[in-house]
Amino acid sequence: NAGVTQTPKFRVLKTGQSMTLLCAQDMNHEYMYWYRQDPGMGLRLIHYSVGEGTTAKGEVPDGYNVSRLKKQNFLLGLESAAPSQTSVYFCASSYGDVGGSPLHFGNGTRLTVT
Amino acid sequence: DQQVKQNSPSLSVQEGRISILNCDYTNSMFDYFLWYKKYPAEGPTFLISISSIKDKNEDGRFTVFLNKSAKHLSLHIVPSQPGDSAVYFCAALRQGGKLIFGQGTELSVKP
Repeated sequence: NAGVTQTPKFRVLKTGQSMTLLCAQDMNHEYMYWYRQDPGMGLRLIHYSVGEGTTAKGEVPDGYNVSRLKKQNFLLGLESAAPSQTSVYFCASSYGDVGGSPLHFGNGTRLTVT
Repeated sequence: DQQVKQNSPSLSVQEGRISILNCDYTNSMFDYFLWYKKYPAEGPTFLISISSIKDKNEDGRFTVFLNKSAKHLSLHIVPSQPGDSAVYFCAALRQGGKLIFGQGTELSVKP
């Protein structure tokens, strides 16, 4: 049982380049989330999805887009990377709303934008 | 504005002693609180939670206390073990909202 899998684990981008981070979960969870972790800031919600075909903005959505075409996958896209997007990105999933079921996190993607 | 604050970036404790990690919040609408534990190069994992209708929840060596009037919660680990060394995040939730995380406290338990 893999849980939540994120690819890639590491990536270096130049300013202006684009990339997509992939998150896959095998727990049949409805809810999926993308967070970023920065020093002194904790985890901040970028975008989330409450089911296949749905997406919604979180606390810090600017500069990112997401898609949930299949229930098990949640993609995070950076169209034009900026140094401010250097961060560790975590994907998470939950069976229901987080009040009733805790989040399960992937192991993160470390992104550096130069 | 930081709605959930963990004011101690780090804490060092001797093995066998009690570890107390603190968390303060500003939004009185929060009604559910969680603690997550994170090891290096791994994602956070759920540890323990508490609803605002309770003031204490215990799970083995881990106890969370909630003081609603002070808008403060704490995580007690007794006895502390070297394997408890990790970053601990508190998080808060209100109905219809999404989890808000604190900045994290790095706990080091020394043998």
